[in-house]
This record gives sequence, C-alpha cells and structure tokens, in this order.
Amino acid sequence: RKEVEQDPGPFNVPEGATVAFNCTYSNSASQSFFWYRQDCRKEPKLLMSVYSSGNEDGRFTAQLNRASQYISLLIRDSKLSDSATYLCVVNRDDKIIFGKGTRLHILP
Amino acid sequence: DTGVSQDPRHKITKRGQNVTFRCDPISEHNRLYWYRQTLGQGPEFLTYFQNEAQLEKSRLLSDRFSAERPKGSFSTLEIQRTEQGDSAMYLCASSSQPTSGLHTDTQYFGPGTRLTVL
Repeated sequence: RKEVEQDPGPFNVPEGATVAFNCTYSNSASQSFFWYRQDCRKEPKLLMSVYSSGNEDGRFTAQLNRASQYISLLIRDSKLSDSATYLCVVNRDDKIIFGKGTRLHILP
Repeated sequence: DTGVSQDPRHKITKRGQNVTFRCDPISEHNRLYWYRQTLGQGPEFLTYFQNEAQLEKSRLLSDRFSAERPKGSFSTLEIQRTEQGDSAMYLCASSSQPTSGLHTDTQYFGPGTRLTVL
C-alpha cells in the first residue's frame, strides 16, 4: 500500500461547481500536510498547508482528520484556471511524500 | 529571477552514459531536495541536504546516483551508466529550516530537468 493515496481522477467538473478531493495517508506518525498544484509539464507549487483546525484561503478549504488519517481539499465556485493536478503531500521526519495526484478538468 | 533554477532543462543521452544536473536554490534557503517524477506519478523523494550535509537518501537512489552540495549552496545530481528506466523529470526544491514548533517549511520547486535515455 502506498503511504499517500489519492484518486487519480480525472474529475470533469462544470465551471462554477464545487469539487472535493480526499487523500489518505498510512503512517500515523506523519506530522504536517500540504496540497500542491501542478500544471501540465510544470513544477509543483504550494497551494496551501493543512491544519488540524481546518483552514480556508478564498475558494479553497483544506481539512485534516488525524483519527481517520485523511486530508481533504474543497474548491468552491470552480474556475477554468483551476484545471490542474492536485498533489497531496505528507511530511514525516522531514521526509516529504507526494501522492500521485488528482487530475481536475473544469469544463466551460 | 530569484527562484530555484535547474540546468539543463532537457537532456537526451544514450544508455550507459553519465549525466550531471545542477540545481541552484533560493539563496537564503539552507535545505535542498531532489525528486524524480515520471508521467502520471507524483514526485518521488530521492535525497535532501541541510547546508552541505546530506541527511537522507531514498532507497530509490541506487549506487549509480550521487548527489553533492559541497558549499551548501548549489547541488549536483549525477547518474552514472544511465538506463532507460532513468528517463524522468528530475525536480529540485529548496526551503528554509523551519522555525521552532514547525516540522517543515514551504518547498519551492525549480522547473526540473527532463532526462531522456535512449
């Protein structure tokens, strides 16, 4: 079993809709959590960190459930420019582990 | 441009040849990471440095791979006797040492070096 697992998608979502991704991690010793965004043939870029209390940045909301060992990302009022691959990232003892990513296509 | 830079951006080589890639991190960052990414996969951790010290190496980093960061600034990743399975995007990232109470700081990625082994 992979240490970080994500549904690869693709998720095809109409513009303006709300979409949610989940990510599960297997090691309970994992310490910090992030969502990165990667556009086609580009490098990953940090979207947001994920805190236990949940955090929001504009249209994006991230949640962490340590008991169930999953992380979620919610995108509201999706835009065409949100089309990308979303990577779930877990840090354990300074070892950074990426999920395979979830591909999102926003449809006009 | 004060971001992470990598050179070359593309490298095509024949099987069995040696290749070397360079990464220049953001100047005030003391941590530097190397990853490998293949199509449809997330980046896979290879190794990381804090200043000039190599603190961790993945099992993915076979004996043919070596990374250095001699002065704690730029880093090189060398692959000896390349194999077709080495074809991938090699990504470098840098971050600063986290402040007390945090486990890691934001990693900033370079544009990557795309290696094709024929």
